[in-house]
Amino acid sequence: QKEVEQDPGPLSVPEGAIVSLNCTYSNSAFQYFMWYRQYSRKGPELLMYTYSSGNKEDGRFTAQVDKSSKYISLFIRDSQPSDSATYLCAMSVQQRGGADGLTFGKGTHLIIQP
Amino acid sequence: KAGVTQTPRYLIKTRGQQVTLSCSPISGHRSVSWYQQTPGQGLQFLFEYFSETQRNKGNFPGRFSGRQFSNSRSEMNVSTLELGDSALYLCASSLSGGYGYTFGSGTRLTVV
Repeated sequence: QKEVEQDPGPLSVPEGAIVSLNCTYSNSAFQYFMWYRQYSRKGPELLMYTYSSGNKEDGRFTAQVDKSSKYISLFIRDSQPSDSATYLCAMSVQQRGGADGLTFGKGTHLIIQP
Repeated sequence: KAGVTQTPRYLIKTRGQQVTLSCSPISGHRSVSWYQQTPGQGLQFLFEYFSETQRNKGNFPGRFSGRQFSNSRSEMNVSTLELGDSALYLCASSLSGGYGYTFGSGTRLTVV
C-alpha cells in the first residue's frame, strides 16, 4: 500500500462547477498537508498548506484535513478552464532541526470544459 | 523576486555516462531539496540540503548524490546512468524545510 493514495483521473467537469479532489494516507505522523498545482512542462506550484486538522480557505480554494480519517480534500469553487492542470497532494512530518522531504500523491489530472 | 532556477532544462545522455544538474534557490532560502518525477512513480524525494549539509536522503541508490555550496546553490549528480533514470528532476527551495517549498521548472533528463 502506497503511503499516499490519489485518484489519477482524468476528472472532467464543466466550467463553473465545484471540484472536489481528495487524498488518503496511511502514516499518522504526517502533520503538514499541502496541495500543489502542476501545469504541463512546469514544476509544481504551492496552492495551499495546512497544519493538522481543520479547514483553510484562500479565494476559490478550500483545503480540508481530517486526521482521524487520514483524508484530505481540496475544493475549487467556480472552476475556470485555467484551473485545468494536475493537482498533487503532499504531506510531511516536521521534525525539529530536520525534514523528511515531502511525500506526494501521484496527482489528479483535472480538465475544466469551457 | 526570482524563482528557483534549474539548468539545463533538457538533457540527453547515453547509458553509462554521468550527469550534473544545477539548481539556484530563491534568495534567502537555505533549504534545497531534489525530487525525481516519472509517470509511473510520481514525485519521489531524493535528498535535502540545508546550510551545505545533507539533512535527509530518500530511497535511491548511491549513484545519486548532491551537494550544496555556501551560497545555497545546489548540484545533483547521477553516475553510471541507466535507462530508468530518464525523468524530470525537480529542485525545490524553502526557508527552513518541512513545508512551503517553491519548485523550479525542472530538468528533463533522457537516457538513451
